[in-house]
Amino acid sequence: NAGVTQTPKFRVLKTGQSMTLLCAQDMNHEYMYWYRQDPGMGLRLIHYSVGEGTTAKGEVPDGYNVSRLKKQNFLLGLESAAPSQTSVYFCASSSPGLFSSTDTQYFGPGTRLTVL
Amino acid sequence: AQSVTQLGSHVSVSEGALVLLRCNYSSSVPPYLFWYVQYPNQGLQLLLKYTSAATLVKGINGFEAEFKKSETSFHLTKPSAHMSDAAEYFCAVGSGGNNRLAFGKGNQVVVIP
Repeated sequence: NAGVTQTPKFRVLKTGQSMTLLCAQDMNHEYMYWYRQDPGMGLRLIHYSVGEGTTAKGEVPDGYNVSRLKKQNFLLGLESAAPSQTSVYFCASSSPGLFSSTDTQYFGPGTRLTVL
Repeated sequence: AQSVTQLGSHVSVSEGALVLLRCNYSSSVPPYLFWYVQYPNQGLQLLLKYTSAATLVKGINGFEAEFKKSETSFHLTKPSAHMSDAAEYFCAVGSGGNNRLAFGKGNQVVVIP
């Protein structure tokens, strides 16, 4: 199993450009999440999904959109990139039983995005 | 809303010494608590989690954490630090009402030879 994969690994954008980050998981998880990680800020939840065709806002959703057309994929879009969106983006997935003794959120390797 | 506080963004520890990372939580319901580790240029990996089964939780790589309700704490410890423990560590809290986690700001651990 590949687990959680993210594409691309690195990207540099100019202000105002758009892009889509792809997250894919092969664990048949219902729940998927997008976080951003900034120095000294920990991880902050951008958007999440509790199943195919559903999305919901997290802590810092402004400037981002998401889609979950297929259960295994969760896309994060930036319509008009801004320098404040320079960050490392992590995708994660989990089953609904996150708080059982045997489950966790599984994280991808991250995408490092720089907006100039 | 649930939240966690991790004090001290950078923690230096000598090789062989005790590793102690502090986490205090705020939650209006019985919390689920997690510790994750992040090695350079990688995603987060679960170290251990508390789900009310036992207050002392043992995780991977020799780490353990103790849930103390009276102190609203879930501190992470390891008796003897190894060079391979150099990483960033995050405490997180979740509630049973949804599947979301709130992360602390992290502790960057540096192990001194």
